[in-house]
Amino acid sequence: QQQVKQSPQSLIVQKGGISIINCAYENTAFDYFPWYQQFPGKGPALLIAIRPDVSEKKEGRFTISFNKSAKQFSLHIMDSQPGDSATYFCAASMAGGTSYGKLTFGQGTILTVHP
Amino acid sequence: DAGVIQSPRHEVTEMGQEVTLRCKPISGHDYLFWYRQTMMRGLELLIYFNNNVPIDDSGMPEDRFSAKMPNASFSTLKIQPSEPRDSAVYFCASSLLAAAGRKETQYFGPGTRLLVL
Repeated sequence: QQQVKQSPQSLIVQKGGISIINCAYENTAFDYFPWYQQFPGKGPALLIAIRPDVSEKKEGRFTISFNKSAKQFSLHIMDSQPGDSATYFCAASMAGGTSYGKLTFGQGTILTVHP
Repeated sequence: DAGVIQSPRHEVTEMGQEVTLRCKPISGHDYLFWYRQTMMRGLELLIYFNNNVPIDDSGMPEDRFSAKMPNASFSTLKIQPSEPRDSAVYFCASSLLAAAGRKETQYFGPGTRLLVL
């Protein structure tokens, strides 16, 4: 119930295209859903995050879509650029209980944007 | 702020040797996390601390792994004895979960790439 399932494992997109990465969760106690971006040789860094009280959050070319009833959320990268090539992780956490502060990460998606 | 600092950045050791990884979290942060990343298993949470106290060590793979946080600005992850299957990138991350306005953002260090021969 603590798992976050992410797909696809890898994604190849042409420059200017839309990249879409999906995640699903089981634990309805999760109330915070961030996406992290990781470049080779670096640690993951927060990209964008959403809470379940909204269905969508947009920051520049990056959008999170959230479907509470389906327990799914996705990352959309519009006008994908070669510089977006990285590994993307979805994650989830909950407000209270013994897991407070802990992020449960998906398996990651390796995105390659071809010029 | 310098961000999360980890040392060493690279470590090559032989099987059976003791390995100590070090982490300095961002000043003022109250949570510290140790992760392990491999191609096969992805990003795994090993252990995390709140105000220097271990909260959840269920991800520590075996008794060969131990972690300490003697003060708010320093933590170690020790592997003794090391084995080839411990080869991975180990990340330390810190966060500040203030009572007013949760800030769950975890700030990751650059990682320590460990190779056990």
